[in-house]
Amino acid sequence: DTAVSQTPKYLVTQMGNDKSIKCEQNLGHDTMYWYKQDSKKFLKIMFSYNNKELIINETVPNRFSPKSPDKAHLNLHINSLELGDSAVYFCASSLLGGGGLKYGYTFGSGTRLTVV
Amino acid sequence: KNEVEQSPQNLTAQEGEFITINCSYSVGISALHWLQQHPGGGIVSLFMLSSGKKKHGRLIATINIQEKHSSLHITASHPRDSAVYICAARIQGAQKLVFGQGTRLTINP
Repeated sequence: DTAVSQTPKYLVTQMGNDKSIKCEQNLGHDTMYWYKQDSKKFLKIMFSYNNKELIINETVPNRFSPKSPDKAHLNLHINSLELGDSAVYFCASSLLGGGGLKYGYTFGSGTRLTVV
Repeated sequence: KNEVEQSPQNLTAQEGEFITINCSYSVGISALHWLQQHPGGGIVSLFMLSSGKKKHGRLIATINIQEKHSSLHITASHPRDSAVYICAARIQGAQKLVFGQGTRLTINP
């Protein structure tokens, strides 16, 4: 009954490969996010979807493509992986509703991506 | 310079000590969040603040909107409080968080 679940937890892959990370939430939230945590543990927003609509698209290489098939899922596909893509990727969700953020954010446990 | 700055970056204390972690931000915000990241890597949302003060168990978070400053306090600290504490500002008019660099807290028994 995990609230925000990401798969896989660990991903080791070679440069040039294409990979996907999946995220699912069962909290009934309407907004989902992808964050990247670099080697210095600094977190940065990448994308956000609200009700399947892209609302945040930060300056991220277009090799990264998010997809939200429904409110409960947000996947991240990465093409032509590079060494610099190695990081921990966190999925999160929140409930925005009509009047702004209702509560805090719930984070997944992270996916540690290592590109070799 | 980052829009959200935390201090100190590292803090080591003895069990039982009162802990304060500070966060200053330079942008307009709709809320300020405090997060906890455990050594295993998982992130937990501790507080969401837009004014005043909130308390949860031994944790207290305060915010001063005029001074653009927030503090996280831990009373009667315990080794299980050892973690990285992250301050994050939700930018006014946007739905994204801007994060501080985190404070690594170590509580020794």
